Amino acid sequence: DIQMTQSPSSLSASVGDRVTITCRASQSISSYLNWYQQKPGKAPKLLIYAASSLQSGVPSRFSGSGSGTDFTLTISSLQPEDFATYYCQQSYSTPPTFGPGTKVDIK
Amino acid sequence: QVQLVQSGAEVKKPGASVKVSCKASGYTFTGYYMHWVRQAPGQGLEWMGWINPNSGGTNYAQKFQGWVTMTRDTSISTAYMELSRLRSDDTAVYYCARGENDSSGYYYLDYWGQGTLVTVSS
Repeated sequence: DIQMTQSPSSLSASVGDRVTITCRASQSISSYLNWYQQKPGKAPKLLIYAASSLQSGVPSRFSGSGSGTDFTLTISSLQPEDFATYYCQQSYSTPPTFGPGTKVDIK
Repeated sequence: QVQLVQSGAEVKKPGASVKVSCKASGYTFTGYYMHWVRQAPGQGLEWMGWINPNSGGTNYAQKFQGWVTMTRDTSISTAYMELSRLRSDDTAVYYCARGENDSSGYYYLDYWGQGTLVTVSS
């Protein structure tokens, strides 16, 4: 199975900050990388697919980049509704595997 | 609009089975794979497998082979996930999620059910 890691595991930030989360795969996954946002008690929500494609309806302050083994999710200007946990997931091979998550909370 | 509505919370004893349903609406049920993902309390996301609602074909994560069964009823656009021989560490929220494959071959989970909490306790 492909192992996914994320850093940091948590971060504290203020509204308006630029936030970057990193995801790394244990082997090359081309651009088969998705990002999800999960708020407490809610289901995950797809933000980015294919490493850099913005899901319909997702604000443009979210962006993704990377290919191969290293990927980033960037929030250009953190908003109050963005405080949540973010997961990356590879869809290159079965089983699809998720990273352990990055919790973004209020500084 | 696409909606996935799951059945309600369950409490089961160790060794029992649980069957969770996921009713789809707003799209052609047989046109998209349905995935199941679980999340133990305070933990991350774990993929369990998928079912092709059109053919009934399934693909289970190796960990769950032999004790998970995914089925569907196309007449009511509903997918099911049954987990047998429950243990306390199967306590988790179970999600169904629609799998979308785009024209470039990328796939992702674009719509999720609200989750079903399954508690396993004696």
